[in-house]
Amino acid sequence: DAKTTQPTSMDCAEGRAANLPCNHSTISGNEYVYWYRQIHSQGPQYIIHGLKNNETNEMASLIITEDRKSSTLILPHATLRDTAVYYCIVRGNNDMRFGAGTRLTVKP
Amino acid sequence: DGGITQSPKYLFRKEGQNVTLSCEQNLNHDAMYWYRQDPGQGLRLIYYSQIVNDFQKGDIAEGYSVSREKKESFPLTVTSAQKNPTAFYLCASSITPRTGDSYEQYFGPGTRLTVT
Repeated sequence: DAKTTQPTSMDCAEGRAANLPCNHSTISGNEYVYWYRQIHSQGPQYIIHGLKNNETNEMASLIITEDRKSSTLILPHATLRDTAVYYCIVRGNNDMRFGAGTRLTVKP
Repeated sequence: DGGITQSPKYLFRKEGQNVTLSCEQNLNHDAMYWYRQDPGQGLRLIYYSQIVNDFQKGDIAEGYSVSREKKESFPLTVTSAQKNPTAFYLCASSITPRTGDSYEQYFGPGTRLTVT
């Protein structure tokens, strides 16, 4: 039970912003939202996480709605190397539940 | 160069044999995890350990066993009791998780096990 809902797949043009949505309507008050990505046959890579406020780092931005029931990961200028499966995770106390994620394909 | 190593990257075994997958980390993390991934699916938690000499079952522990004798090492044994052992196995580590804190897990490169 991953506690999150994401679209199965999305496409994005190279150089454009990629906006990946995630629904987590049952999130609890002290649960964080994490984003990871996985390039084929590699281990997942941490991208960003947040609790209530929007967050930004060198890889991406995370926008969390005020009611915390959904969030959006933004890759500001997608490159071909950003093609991967992106996982949105609501972290429980001791583990992370990975759903099937969104397969993002960045096209030239 | 800190990180998590898993070896080998590809492993082949005959049905009925036990096989042990290695996971080593030099990040000084207390917590370690094993996940299984099947094609086109997300990760499922097999076992996790928050401290040396202690570990807990995850969602799909049946047919697997682990040990945590050293902080740096968390080997996973896939036993002959595991009905569908062919999968991609991922190891991860993190700082000690505490309720209410944030932390990220760092993943190794994975081991692809094929049992025929």
